[in-house]
Amino acid sequence: DAGVIQSPRHEVTEMGQEVTLRCKPISGHDYLFWYRQTMMRGLELLIYFNNNVPIDDSGMPEDRFSAKMPNASFSTLKIQPSEPRDSAVYFCASKLTGTGYGEQYFGPGTRLTVT
Amino acid sequence: SQQGEEDPQALSIQEGENATMNCSYKTSINNLQWYRQNSGRGLVHLILIRSNEREKHSGRLRVTLDTSKKSSSLLITASRAADTASYFCATGGATNKLIFGTGTLLAVQP
Repeated sequence: DAGVIQSPRHEVTEMGQEVTLRCKPISGHDYLFWYRQTMMRGLELLIYFNNNVPIDDSGMPEDRFSAKMPNASFSTLKIQPSEPRDSAVYFCASKLTGTGYGEQYFGPGTRLTVT
Repeated sequence: SQQGEEDPQALSIQEGENATMNCSYKTSINNLQWYRQNSGRGLVHLILIRSNEREKHSGRLRVTLDTSKKSSSLLITASRAADTASYFCATGGATNKLIFGTGTLLAVQP
């Protein structure tokens, strides 16, 4: 298996622009998580899905952020409009039910820079 | 928000030495996990310990859990230069969410 795939790996954009980050979870995994990592705040859970349904979006910072999972093999995290404080590394992770509260598999991340 | 606080924040040792990292958390948990993150990469799961377990081993890794003190430790024995990375604890509760700690940056000098 190729693991969790994220694209793009790097994104540089100007303030006010729309940014879309993409994730393909491991085939067969039914949980998908979006995290954000910064030096100041560490690794924060933004939202997670189970069977394509958003379960908990309490970590989404504000209305500028939205996430979708139209099918089991694809999810997007969108920021509109982007701001410099959104600069961070965004990770997607997936997990399989049946492993209990087991391990999550992380993608390589998307490094977002908003100027 | 972060639940786990790890210490030390940074640790530098020589190859062959043991490395110990500690994690403290605040609320009750179902399990505690340790992850490694190499520079510029995603996190990789190392080991999981359940709340009713006190110690667990995996290769050169040894994890302990003290739920009365709300703390855990990760010991890496006979460290190698390739162990250089950041190490994070993550706590799991009644949901499928993980709350990650602040991380320990380990540098193993060859």
